[in-house]
Amino acid sequence: DAGVIQSPRHEVTEMGQEVTLRCKPISGHNSLFWYRQTMMRGLELLIYFNNNVPIDDSGMPEDRFSAKMPNASFSTLKIQPSEPRDSAVYFCASSLASGGQPQHFGDGTRLSIL
Amino acid sequence: AQSVTQLDSQVPVFEEAPVELRCNYSSSVSVYLFWYVQYPNQGLQLLLKYLSGSTLVESINGFEAEFNKSQTSFHLRKPSVHISDTAEYFCAVSEIRDDKIIFGKGTRLHILP
Repeated sequence: DAGVIQSPRHEVTEMGQEVTLRCKPISGHNSLFWYRQTMMRGLELLIYFNNNVPIDDSGMPEDRFSAKMPNASFSTLKIQPSEPRDSAVYFCASSLASGGQPQHFGDGTRLSIL
Repeated sequence: AQSVTQLDSQVPVFEEAPVELRCNYSSSVSVYLFWYVQYPNQGLQLLLKYLSGSTLVESINGFEAEFNKSQTSFHLRKPSVHISDTAEYFCAVSEIRDDKIIFGKGTRLHILP
């Protein structure tokens, strides 16, 4: 069974560059979530989609962050321009869209902005 | 809005000793409750969940949690820990009919030899 697939696993880039993180959810899941994890703030929900439509983006920190889900099998999280404080581990998770369904997480993208 | 409080950020315990990781939640409506585990350099994995029915739920690797509605708690316990249980544990809550899950800040479990 393929789980949630994220790429790249690691990204190191310089401040000001555009960063694109990618996620392939589990086939058949219709909810997709993007999280950011840091030591200071823990796990934060950035945005989530249901049937490819953004439902709640209140966690997106700034206009520099954007997320898209062009189809049921692919989503991107983009940061432009990137800043050192964006350094974190970014997780994508997917689930079936009904109450009580657990979320399945990818292994994350470790992002370092120099 | 619901919230989750994990009272301990770190818990050290000797191997083969029992452990309890505490979790309290707040919500004005009925909820589902979860415990997730995160091993180093991995994503979170579901450990166990409470949806309805029996208030005691168990995982396949010896953990159990009990839903206590009056105390709004969902503490995680294991009678005898193993070195392989070293990980971070997250308590989480979601309101019924809501896809969103709210996570606590996590508790790091350190197993001492």
